[in-house]
Amino acid sequence: SQKIEQNSEALNIQEGKTATLTCNYTNYSPAYLQWYRQDPGRGPVFLLLIRENEKEKRKERLKVTFDTTLKQSLFHITASQPADSATYLCALSTGGGNKLTFGTGTQLKVEL
Amino acid sequence: DAGITQSPRHKVTETGTPVTLRCHQTENHRYMYWYRQDPGHGLRLIHYSYGVKDTDKGEVSDGYSVSRSKTEDFLLTLESATSSQTSVYFCAISVSQGYDYGYTFGSGTRLTVV
Repeated sequence: SQKIEQNSEALNIQEGKTATLTCNYTNYSPAYLQWYRQDPGRGPVFLLLIRENEKEKRKERLKVTFDTTLKQSLFHITASQPADSATYLCALSTGGGNKLTFGTGTQLKVEL
Repeated sequence: DAGITQSPRHKVTETGTPVTLRCHQTENHRYMYWYRQDPGHGLRLIHYSYGVKDTDKGEVSDGYSVSRSKTEDFLLTLESATSSQTSVYFCAISVSQGYDYGYTFGSGTRLTVV
């Protein structure tokens, strides 16, 4: 069966450290993968898209890698801040119409 | 920013009653989506639309119908609400993000079926 796995346990890190979140998938061959941020009571917000032919992508303090052989994406936040505390969702392209299938998300808590 | 609004923001309804949720966008985006979000399941696609009167089912479409008679409006209807449809419903549009594209989500509708 198709599955997208993100660590369901919250990730707690200290301010200033690099946070690394993992997205693993099985039985998908996505053309691209996206990462979103979701704050409590709000809709997800788009952060980054990485295509299957791209190994790495950066945007300010964010870095995403995409390994189609391992079927894994890593999402890094460098110099993390308490304001980065949120739930982060990965999403895979699944078919036409720009459809996305989402993982369940990982909650990140950045502590002072 | 793409304008997308959902209404109502909150609703409590009784089992067996019909419910319609509305999603409105202001920028003529072609693709619109309805997701529900539940603890432990994440966001799951209910229905999506790729144009006026063009819609298709997602992975959890049973018990739901949609309509898109105008580009800007995408309606989700629960024909006869059940307690299992208690959830947070999000509408989304696919929007260009520079060279890339991603979803812009509405603020969500929290629906409780009692």
